[in-house]
Amino acid sequence: QKEVEQNSGPLSVPEGAIASLNCTYSDRGSQSFFWYRQYSGKSPELIMSIYSNGDQEDGRFTAQLNKASQYVSLLIRDSQPSDSATYLCAVKENYGQNFVFGPGTRLSVLP
Amino acid sequence: EPEVTQTPSHQVTQMGQEVILRCVPISNHLYFYWYRQILGQKVEFLVSFYNNEISEKSEIFDDQFSVERPDGSNFTLKIRSTKLEDSAMYFCASRSWDGSNQPQHFGDGTRLSIL
Repeated sequence: QKEVEQNSGPLSVPEGAIASLNCTYSDRGSQSFFWYRQYSGKSPELIMSIYSNGDQEDGRFTAQLNKASQYVSLLIRDSQPSDSATYLCAVKENYGQNFVFGPGTRLSVLP
Repeated sequence: EPEVTQTPSHQVTQMGQEVILRCVPISNHLYFYWYRQILGQKVEFLVSFYNNEISEKSEIFDDQFSVERPDGSNFTLKIRSTKLEDSAMYFCASRSWDGSNQPQHFGDGTRLSIL
């Protein structure tokens, strides 16, 4: 059974700090990884995608991928209270159309 | 920007009744999905659909569930005889093509409440 693991949190950081969210996955052949943000009662919203080892930056967000360690992370710089949400790691199966979602990490940015 | 739309936003149904949740995926997308999220729990895959047939389904997607794309735009999820444990948010998602780099785009969801 393919699995995606995340610390459930809550992860609390002060406003302006860097928030670091981590994700590990079991399907060694997976090639595509996605971070979604989900506010309470709302649908998942795509933040970033990453496919190659290393870092990928988009504004205040940096995704990091290490396929050898089967590890994906999301860094949020200059965290804002509006970043408070649950962050979902999603991994596309190597074969097939399915995306496996982690349980999410709840982030709380304190003013 | 194109978006996935879902109706209704909230559905209240008596246990044992049939319910149909509707989704209009983004128009040029080819892959369609239904997910379920019970309150406070993780997003769970139900089914994926491509080329007018089911591609994959999870253990949750038993004989009580069915999906259909009755025309060129709608994608529906039917639950034949609802149970209390079917109460959840149901999300529809679509995806443009089978490049691995293509993400899923989610609708706003339908909150299903079974009484």
